Formats: sequence, C-alpha cells, structure tokens
Amino acid sequence: DAKTTQPTSMDCAEGRAANLPCNHSTISGNEYVYWYRQIHSQGPQYIIHGLKNNETNEMASLIITEDRKSSTLILPHATLRDTAVYYCIVRVASGAGSYQLTFGKGTKLSVIP
Amino acid sequence: KAGVTQTPRYLIKTRGQQVTLSCSPISGHRSVSWYQQTPGQGLQFLFEYFSETQRNKGNFPGRFSGRQFSNSRSEMNVSTLELGDSALYLCASSLNGQPNQPQHFGDGTRLSIL
Repeated sequence: DAKTTQPTSMDCAEGRAANLPCNHSTISGNEYVYWYRQIHSQGPQYIIHGLKNNETNEMASLIITEDRKSSTLILPHATLRDTAVYYCIVRVASGAGSYQLTFGKGTKLSVIP
Repeated sequence: KAGVTQTPRYLIKTRGQQVTLSCSPISGHRSVSWYQQTPGQGLQFLFEYFSETQRNKGNFPGRFSGRQFSNSRSEMNVSTLELGDSALYLCASSLNGQPNQPQHFGDGTRLSIL
C-alpha cells in the first residue's frame, strides 16, 4: 500500500510557484521520498528524490521536514506544460534487494493561464 | 543519452491470444521493472529483473511472465489474453535498483484486447 497522502487536486497560476504537499507520517529512517509526474498518455517522469536533506535540481526543489513526516515539492515558476498528475512515493524494500515504487492516486495539478 | 524505449507503442489483440512486449533500458542500467497502469487500479508493479534474474514479482497471475537478456533488454509476455488485460504497460530502468537510484520510465505500450 502507498504510504503517502496527497491532495486530490490543486490549481496554480502560470508563472507562480507551485507547492505540492505530501504526508508520509510512517516513513522509516532509511526510506527515500520520490516525486514523479505523469502527463496523459506518457510514462511517469522522474522529478526529484531525497532522504533527509532538502534537494534541488533543474526541475524542482524538495523540502523535507525535520521529522521526515511530510515534504513539499516546489516548482518555482509553473508553466502550462507542468499540468500533470504528481505522485509522491516512499520507496520501500519489497524483498530480495528490490525496491519498487508504489504509486497512489497523486495530485492533479492544473496550471491556469 | 537515450531514454527507455518500449515497442510497440500500440497493440490490438483478441481474447485468448498471447503478446510479447519489449523494453530497452537506458545504457548501463541493469535493473528493469514492469508496471501495469489501468484507470481503475492505477499503476501496479508486475516484476523486476536484474542481471537476467527475476528479483521480485507483484501480485499477478502466472499468465504474466518476463525475461531479461544479457544486454539488459527485457521482454514481458502475457498469454491467454483477457479483456481485463487492456492497459498501458510501462517499463522502467535504473542502474541496479537500489533505493537511492531513480527509476526512469518509457512511454509504455498500450495494449487493447477486443
């Protein structure tokens, strides 16, 4: 089962920062938080991941609270092309050295012109 | 660097037939995972291959199988197709499947069963 809780949908004005929250209150100390997004008819696109520290790359920033029970994905300047379903995933061990992604329902982000 | 390539992109089959889908991972990636995506069930894990060995399997019937070749390319096979097998089948690759290494997805094969 997915270990995360996300809002079903969010709107963001074009050019503004999009802040997508995620709760993962049962996360363990060695489990990573991953963010993916999926645009209709395409495969999920990797955005960013982190363990304890905040992370930033060319696409987004990931802010993880000190207790690791929640995180926020920040898209600094949202464009219409950022409209997608965003998935927050806690990557857990699933046996035999395997760590699969368990996708929940995600957040449908709509960027409004 | 080329991404994950899946072929074919679209496939139409009838009930009872069997199908083989192909996945070429990113160069250097040795772990390949397969997922099924449907509107009702979302994204569900099928299996993972690493160094030609199945390392993990999801909760799918034995009609779903796969294999990995020495060049890390992978195939999945579905036999005795059912209407409920209509879905987007996604392949994802990573260096060796460790938790700090992202999985990168292809755009999938959309399978329709008539």
